[in-house]
Parts: sequence; structure tokens; C-alpha cells
Amino acid sequence: QQPVQSPQAVILREGEDAVINCSSSKALYSVHWYRQKHGEAPVFLMILLKGGEQKGHEKISASFNEKKQQSSLYLTASQLSYSGTYFCGTPGEVRGGADGLTFGKGTHLIIQP
Amino acid sequence: DSGVTQTPKHLITATGQRVTLRCSPRSGDLSVYWYQQSLDQGLQFLIQYYNGEERAKGNILERFSAQQFPDLHSELNLSSLELGDSALYFCASSVMGEGGEKLFFGSGTQLSVL
Repeated sequence: QQPVQSPQAVILREGEDAVINCSSSKALYSVHWYRQKHGEAPVFLMILLKGGEQKGHEKISASFNEKKQQSSLYLTASQLSYSGTYFCGTPGEVRGGADGLTFGKGTHLIIQP
Repeated sequence: DSGVTQTPKHLITATGQRVTLRCSPRSGDLSVYWYQQSLDQGLQFLIQYYNGEERAKGNILERFSAQQFPDLHSELNLSSLELGDSALYFCASSVMGEGGEKLFFGSGTQLSVL
């Protein structure tokens, strides 16, 4: 089952913050986040594990609420380089594994100077 | 450069035809994943192989098939092509590290069915 991401698109000015949400109708063991810049392949950002703490990558952090079956990606003081499409992915049941990693439809993030 | 190699970069063909997309994973990676990306469907998981064996299956059509060879490269075969099969096809290989398994994507094959 494909996770659901919101919002579909965000337009920000440089320096502003954004939150991208990812939810699933099935029990989650982990949530994987990837970013894809225009014309490029998706690139790994981070994995959130069930019971794990909040993670960070540059000024991008994420949380995972397994009770609500949701994860949120936080982009703080956004930079032009953060522009792209962000995907969350939910795998099978292997903790941290990526078997059958299924992605949401993505959130398009546009950062304007 | 992710280390995952996909060929060809672009493929233009006609409806009803058959094509083969090729993927070489990063050296040492045993898993290969195939994804289809289109504007309306996003990044759709098709199929995954691990060391030559099918490991997981997603929304792969019956007209599509894949295999992973002993040298670990993989091929995705698409037959009886339709206009709607036009998309960007990615393959990825993976490595299990601290915190979980991460995917490395190739640069993709852009398929245009005319």
C-alpha cells in the first residue's frame, strides 16, 4: 500500500521552514526518506526506525510516530539547494530493511530566493 | 555518481514492441530494485531481486518481466508496449548499514513509446 504524502507541493522563500507529512494505513516498522532533484535520480536522506529517535541530515530532520503511523520531515531555514521532490517510503516488515520499498507520490518543494 | 549503471539512457520505440532495460548494481550489492516513474503515478515499485532470486513484487504488469543473472546484473523486459508505458525506469541497488537499508539509484532509462 502506497503511503500518503502531504502537501503535494510547497513554495517557500529561502530561510523559511517547511513540514512534509507521510502517513500509512498499515503498521509501520520504518519510514525511509529520499529527495529527487529535477532531472536526477532519487537520493537517500534518512531512515526512521520504529522506537528510534528523531534524526537529522543538514538542517533537515524527521520524526516517526508509530502509533499514528506517520512520519514528518522538517526543513529548517530552507536553502535553494533543498528544492526538489521529497518521497517517503514504507517497506515490508524487516526492521530498517527496504524489501518492497513503496514510495508515496512525493511532495514538490520549490525554494525561491 | 551512485555506482549503479543503467543502459540505455533513452529508448524510443513503437507500440506493440518489446524492449530490454539493463542494470548493473554497485560492486558487492546483491539486491536490485526496479521502479517506474511517471508524472501521475510517482515512483512505483515494480520488483526486487536478491542474489538472483525474486524477493518482492509490486505493481508489475504481466507484460513486464525481470531477472537477475549470476553476475548480479539485472534486466527488465517490457513487451507488447503501450503508450502508457512511457516513463522513466530506475533501478537501484542497496546496502544494509547502521540504521537500515539504503537504496542507490541509477540515472534511469527514459522510455518513449510512440
